[in-house]
Amino acid sequence: GESVGLHLPTLSVQEGDNSIINCAYSNSASDYFIWYKQESGKGPQFIIDIRSNMDKRQGQRVTVLLNKTVKHLSLQIAATQPGDSAVYFCAENRDMRFGAGTRLTVKP
Amino acid sequence: EAGVAQSPRYKIIEKRQSVAFWCNPISGHATLYWYQQILGQGPKLLIQFQNNGVVDDSQLPKDRFSAERLKGVDSTLKIQPAKLEDSAVYLCASSTGLPRNTEAFFGQGTRLTVV
Repeated sequence: GESVGLHLPTLSVQEGDNSIINCAYSNSASDYFIWYKQESGKGPQFIIDIRSNMDKRQGQRVTVLLNKTVKHLSLQIAATQPGDSAVYFCAENRDMRFGAGTRLTVKP
Repeated sequence: EAGVAQSPRYKIIEKRQSVAFWCNPISGHATLYWYQQILGQGPKLLIQFQNNGVVDDSQLPKDRFSAERLKGVDSTLKIQPAKLEDSAVYLCASSTGLPRNTEAFFGQGTRLTVV
């Protein structure tokens, strides 16, 4: 079975709003997690990562939160822009498997 | 630095034909992955190489799919014979792989259509 999964298949937000994308994982031995963004016709692109010894990591407009107790990751995108429209995947380093992804649509 | 290169970009074949995809990873990356992405789904890992050795091929349909990375650099993925359900984008990715799996860099993929 899949080791990672997404709670919501689609998410629609208004431009300028904040977006939150969730992901659950099952392998408690995973120690490194990655969020990818995939635009239409392109391969997945690295956004941000986090190691299991951290609870939170911030990048430019993106923040990843890790809750090891419930094996849950979230990706927060601040001030969402039309260019953020894509499918977002989380992956963990034990077996590099992906879930189905969440499609984010940003309405102008 | 140059990214992961894949070719061809598109391929259309008839069922029961054979097809091969090529991937050249980022220079120095020891780990190479092949993924199959069916429309509307997440990438499915087919095979993972560490240098020229196979780390994980548990999801590779070995009756028709094969992959090699003979010199530990570029890699080919072959399907023989193809089925309609093999229509998908085949993604190659590479990473340093040290000390454990780290972020993978993806190519643009090869879109295969089997008719």
